[in-house]
Amino acid sequence: QVQLQESGPGLVQPSETPSLTCTVSGGSMTTYDWSWIRQPPGKGLEWLAYLYSRGNTHYNPSLRSRVSISIDTPNNQFSLKLTSVTAADTAMYYCVRVIRGPWRLDSWGPGTFVTVSS
Amino acid sequence: QSLLTQPPSASGTPGQRVTLSCSGSSSNLGIYTVNWYQQLPRTAPKLLIYDDSERPSGVPDRFSASKSGTSASLAISGLRSDDEADYYCASWDINLQGPVFGGGTRLTVL
Repeated sequence: QVQLQESGPGLVQPSETPSLTCTVSGGSMTTYDWSWIRQPPGKGLEWLAYLYSRGNTHYNPSLRSRVSISIDTPNNQFSLKLTSVTAADTAMYYCVRVIRGPWRLDSWGPGTFVTVSS
Repeated sequence: QSLLTQPPSASGTPGQRVTLSCSGSSSNLGIYTVNWYQQLPRTAPKLLIYDDSERPSGVPDRFSASKSGTSASLAISGLRSDDEADYYCASWDINLQGPVFGGGTRLTVL
């Protein structure tokens, strides 16, 4: 049974560039796609970034210039970097494993909350 | 504004059957399958339904779903107090080239 666990800085200052990491255990990373999704307090889910199993990436156009996703397969981790954060980026950030054929977000980490505040 | 539309709230009494709706467009539900996620309070979303109507292992058959055209629905029968949660529909969007979600429906068990 795969398990995902996010880690992040918790509290960051506006304009900083926090990095979030997802550690994957109990499963291979190479045969799946991976994604980051966030949820502001009291609001719905927003897709941020997508990492295909072949290594190519895709981002939500609303955040495209500020977000990047990368993978560290030997350490069973993938990461999200978000630049120039503002209070609007305050949210719970989830890392997710994606299965294709048929497509589904099948395993979620418990989330890491990022607060952007001075 | 979400690309998939869900009513913000729904309610039912224990034992009742409730149906939650999700409306999309030709760029998402019209061409891709729908998934449903259950988010219990203070927890991460959990996959409830995939491929329009398939239940992952461990999801009780009280949960069922269907899709027709650009609309989908999730039905919960034999409603229980621990079904009280937020329910999100999700699909792929060909324009976004990524996942899209509904705004979520908060289900209250009276």
